[in-house]
Amino acid sequence: GIQVEQSPPDLILQEGANSTLRCNFSDSVNNLQWFHQNPWGQLINLFYIPSGTKQNGRLSATTVATERYSLLYISSSQTTDSGVYFCAVGTGGFKTIFGAGTRLFVKA
Amino acid sequence: DAGVIQSPRHEVTEMGQEVTLRCKPISGHDYLFWYRQTMMRGLELLIYFNNNVPIDDSGMPEDRFSAKMPNASFSTLKIQPSEPRDSAVYFCASSLSVGKTQYFGPGTRLLVL
Repeated sequence: GIQVEQSPPDLILQEGANSTLRCNFSDSVNNLQWFHQNPWGQLINLFYIPSGTKQNGRLSATTVATERYSLLYISSSQTTDSGVYFCAVGTGGFKTIFGAGTRLFVKA
Repeated sequence: DAGVIQSPRHEVTEMGQEVTLRCKPISGHDYLFWYRQTMMRGLELLIYFNNNVPIDDSGMPEDRFSAKMPNASFSTLKIQPSEPRDSAVYFCASSLSVGKTQYFGPGTRLLVL
């Protein structure tokens, strides 16, 4: 089946720093989403981005489907950005497959 | 809208008991998904429904697991009999259509002793 790899697995930032999270996938997908799981366990959908670029406040995402990767940019990080960021891809069978996530900790 | 509602939020049970998890999707959403999250396996899609019909249940781990959606506003995930390895957080999510944004409930944290 399709493989989803996220990097880095762990990231520690000082508040105010910028970061880039990467998601590589091994086959063509028809949808891609980024999620944030906060320290309390709540999953929040950040972007639905099968291709192109989207921005929402300090967060933006870019997916290059032809090269099978997506990037999530976090600018001016805040402590509330801490948590785990998941990339999830959808294939022709409508399954959603999650990567292992990037664990982010933002220090005050 | 109140978002996706799940109950109970926490469940502790003993091995061999039946467990029923409940989910109310966002009104108007045609797709409903059940996920499981464990430390070992991460997030996994168990089953999803479209217009109350199960579409893909290949992620359901065993016959002990079953899911139903009797109407557009309610779904259940049942484990019978439960085992300690079923301990996990179970999330329900809904979306307008496949490929569109999925909205997650708060999850049910299940502990099977």
